[in-house]
Amino acid sequence: AQSVTQLDSHVSVSEGTPVLLRCNYSSSYSPSLFWYVQHPNKGLQLLLKYTSAATLVKGINGFEAEFKKSETSFHLTKPTAHMSDEAEYFCVVPYIGSSNTGKLIFGQGTTLQVKP
Amino acid sequence: GAGVSQSPSNKVTEKGKDVELRCDPISGHTALYWYRQSLGQGLEFLIYFQGNSAPDKSGLPSDRFSAERTGGSVSTLTIQRTQQEDSAVYLCASSRTGGFNQPQHFGDGTRLSIL
Repeated sequence: AQSVTQLDSHVSVSEGTPVLLRCNYSSSYSPSLFWYVQHPNKGLQLLLKYTSAATLVKGINGFEAEFKKSETSFHLTKPTAHMSDEAEYFCVVPYIGSSNTGKLIFGQGTTLQVKP
Repeated sequence: GAGVSQSPSNKVTEKGKDVELRCDPISGHTALYWYRQSLGQGLEFLIYFQGNSAPDKSGLPSDRFSAERTGGSVSTLTIQRTQQEDSAVYLCASSRTGGFNQPQHFGDGTRLSIL
């Protein structure tokens, strides 16, 4: 069965410093993986997706993530945090079973706080 | 273009009442998903539509929950005899087709509060 574990429920960084949000996955298959962001009272927005084409994936707003099969990790990074990055971030894997519905399995989320 | 639209954005109702939540997906998207986001359970899948049929209802928590989709477009999630544990944000998402490689586009959700 597929699952994702976000290793930190809360991350706090200073504006202008790097961001690292950690995610480990579990899957019997070579998975697709996504990172979504949710700003307060908003829906989820896709930041980036990995679908086996390249292990380093670039997304929107300067975010990127690297798929590391040996570590079963898909950590999200950004070189320089901005106040507008304050949000909740979800690492997500699609369920793969007898039917390919695409329903998503979410990590518990990481709240990113950016201090001025 | 227009994104996924959900209404109402907020709904407050008394325990025991029925509620209907509406989702209008992106035009042309055949796949539609409902999820629930609550403090205790995080984000959970509820139901998946492909066109008007629902091949995966496995996430519906009880028989008080039902959903339909008409015309391959708008979907309604209905909760009968609401309970306090139904309080949550209900999110709708659509994708061009179903499948694990398709990114899903989310609406802003309906925040449901049961008094």
